[in-house]
This record gives sequence, C-alpha cells and structure tokens, in this order.
Amino acid sequence: GPKVLQIPSHQIIDMGQMVTLNCDPVSNHLYFYWYKQILGQQMEFLVNFYNGKVMEKSKLFKDQFSVERPDGSYFTLKIQPTALEDSAVYFCASSLGGRTGQLYFGEGSKLTVL
Amino acid sequence: QQQVRQSPQSLTVWEGETAILNCSYEDSTFDYFPWYWQFPRESPALLIAIRPVSNKKEDGRFTIFFNKREKKLSLHITDSQPGDSATYFCAASPYGNEKITFGAGTKLTIKP
Repeated sequence: GPKVLQIPSHQIIDMGQMVTLNCDPVSNHLYFYWYKQILGQQMEFLVNFYNGKVMEKSKLFKDQFSVERPDGSYFTLKIQPTALEDSAVYFCASSLGGRTGQLYFGEGSKLTVL
Repeated sequence: QQQVRQSPQSLTVWEGETAILNCSYEDSTFDYFPWYWQFPRESPALLIAIRPVSNKKEDGRFTIFFNKREKKLSLHITDSQPGDSATYFCAASPYGNEKITFGAGTKLTIKP
C-alpha cells in the first residue's frame, strides 16, 4: 500500500541544538499530521497542516516547533532549540481526505536529546 | 488530559473466542471514531470507523458498537485468529476540526 517515509529514523542531538525531521507523504495526499509518542505512552497530536497552513495545533506544539512543506517536497517538523523533554518518537501521517480519510503513518523518527 | 480512554491495556484470548476492546471519550463534539491497528514493527493502519448516526458498524469479523449517551464504544472481534494479535487504537475527531485524538491502545494477543 501507500508508504510514508520518515527521515531520519533515529537522531541524537545535544540540548539547545536544532533538529529537522523530514516526512515524505503519500504523493497525492493533502492533509499532513505530526504526532509525538514518549516511550510507553500514547501518541499525542501535535499539529496538522493543509494547503500550506497549520490548521490545528495542540499545547504540545511549543513556540520552538515549526512545520512547513516548501514547494510540495518534504513535510518537515523543526525544533529550535531542542529541550530534554523533546526526546520522543515523532510520527508523521498523511491523508487524502482529512480526518475522515485513512491516515497513513510513517515508521517514526526517534529523537534523543542529551 | 486523556480525552480518549481505552481498556484494558492488554488482553489475551484464545483462538476462536470473541475479543472485546473498550473505548470511552469525553468531548461531545467528537463525531468520527476510527480504529487503527498496529502490528509489531509496522505503522498504524485504519481498521474500521463509525459515525454517531449509527450505533453499529460491521466489517467481517470486526464490529464497532457505539453508545452515544454513555460516550462509549467497543470493538468486537469474533472468531479471533492469531493474526489478529496487534495493538488496537481507538481514535476520535470533532466536527469541523481536523484534529484526531488517539487513545493509549489495547495490546491484543490471540493464543492458538
């Protein structure tokens, strides 16, 4: 079936550094999502994105977070600067039809902030 | 704040039995409830979904029962198979909003 690719699969960085997580969504999808999952806990909604704009964001989506999809390429999540509590697995998902369409998830990017 | 709660956290049933996975929610504006399943080392994938206009949605061996008054729903898996072993996530989305909230999941194990 359709695949969502996430790069990198794992990144280790020092606190205060910037990190960019990349997501290659399904080619004709229009809605994009980021979720955060801390080990052993549930997947928490961060943000969704449609037509070049953020639609909704949660309280977890701090000012240090930003998302963009320049020129229809990767959908990116940037964290600048990073904090220890940002250590988690970040899942990207895309959907053709929004919330009532199937979300296709990537395999996650594990971020470790030291 | 958990808006979508699932129970039990883990469940083991024998092959051929019916597995029942529970979900409850708080936000009365939720109007779309998909269930996703996730196999080990794979990404979550949509299994079945329901809207509150119905109190039941069936797809083969998988059935969602929905109780709007109590804000509860359950996923029943009849004649369960070892291949059904996975983590099942209940999710919910409100009307007019693209945010989708996931529960913590139920890890289901089917013993042959």
